[in-house]
Amino acid sequence: EDQVTQSPEALRLQEGESSSLNCSYTVSGLRGLFWYRQDPGKGPEFLFTLYSAGEEKEKERLKATLTKKESFLHITAPKPEDSATYLCAVQASGYALNFGKGTSLLVTP
Amino acid sequence: KAGVTQTPRYLIKTRGQQVTLSCSPISGHRSVSWYQQTPGQGLQFLFEYFSETQRNKGNFPGRFSGRQFSNSRSEMNVSTLELGDSALYLCASQPGGLNTEAFFGQGTRLTVV
Repeated sequence: EDQVTQSPEALRLQEGESSSLNCSYTVSGLRGLFWYRQDPGKGPEFLFTLYSAGEEKEKERLKATLTKKESFLHITAPKPEDSATYLCAVQASGYALNFGKGTSLLVTP
Repeated sequence: KAGVTQTPRYLIKTRGQQVTLSCSPISGHRSVSWYQQTPGQGLQFLFEYFSETQRNKGNFPGRFSGRQFSNSRSEMNVSTLELGDSALYLCASQPGGLNTEAFFGQGTRLTVV
């Protein structure tokens, strides 16, 4: 059975304090790994898709990387507006996205 | 380009009633998926439609059903509502192929009392 585990569940950072969020997965035949950001009361906002081990993508202060067993979302010098829940999802067989429970990030000034 | 539109944004229903939620995907997208989000279970896949055909179904009881129209708009229906059906219901729109990004709507917040 496909499994997606995100850690930590919650993370509190000072503004400017870089860190990484982890997404480990167990799937048969990974077709894609997706990162989303979700603000309270809103739908998830697409950030990145990664397809193969070794792939990296960047957007502003965020960088996503992928290995055969896990993905990392690195946040460099975060700002308070980066506070949100970050969700990881994998697509294996079929069209469904299998989501982790998310990491709730709080960045304080 | 307009995003994914879900209506209504909020609903309050009584146990035993039924409810219909609507989703209009991004123009040109032919795949629509539905997800249920709760604090305990996170985001869980309900079903996916492409060109009016259900291609995938998650592990939800038969009370949850959906359909897609020829213009790609989709509806989901929940019959005989239970308290545990209270959740944020999210619709995702994709062009249609595998490995394509899914773009989500703002969701419909359903409260069952």
